[in-house]
Amino acid sequence: GAGVSQSPSNKVTEKGKDVELRCDPISGHTALYWYRQSLGQGLEFLIYFQGNSAPDKSGLPSDRFSAERTGGSVSTLTIQRTQQEDSAVYLCASSLDGNTYEQYFGPGTRLTVT
Amino acid sequence: QQQVKQSPQSLIVQKGGIPIINCAYENTAFDYFPWYQQFPGKGPALLIAIRPDVSEKKEGRFTISFNKSAKQFSLHIMDSQPGDSATYFCAATGGTSYGKLTFGQGTILTVHP
Repeated sequence: GAGVSQSPSNKVTEKGKDVELRCDPISGHTALYWYRQSLGQGLEFLIYFQGNSAPDKSGLPSDRFSAERTGGSVSTLTIQRTQQEDSAVYLCASSLDGNTYEQYFGPGTRLTVT
Repeated sequence: QQQVKQSPQSLIVQKGGIPIINCAYENTAFDYFPWYQQFPGKGPALLIAIRPDVSEKKEGRFTISFNKSAKQFSLHIMDSQPGDSATYFCAATGGTSYGKLTFGQGTILTVHP
């Protein structure tokens, strides 16, 4: 079956612009996670979805970051008024549910803010 | 208390050697400890994982050793191959964390032919 897919694979944007990053989880997986990978900070948790609800948003760095999930499937991470420090690889992972810990990652979206 | 500390940062071995990567955690609520392998330009791939009810788990050439009292776990790669050259991350989750993973800083492994 298909794995986790993310789009775009690369995104270059100017400082101050808004960007949307998309994640398609593995079919049937109800839990979805966003992480950020940067050189200085390693792999950091951003937000967790169970179905369409986000019970844990504790990793979102600022109110410029938001995410939603619709139909219990596709998720979109939105970064408003991008800053250079937002440059990173944004990774999405899914698991069967929030109690099944095996998470499968997508290839990531590399965001570069110029 | 949420940290996972990983060492070494980088590791070079010859083909056939047994690289060992170590991790230590603080949160005693953690009860699931996976290892991920990441190649450049790719997402992390789940390699092997262990729960605290066992002290060792083996899958193919990869073995996790777990020491609950010391709050440490390690990855051993038997008969390492150049194709194993990648970045390896340990992680941990459990308790009320909804499965969100806390990662170590990563180890860059190079296996020379």
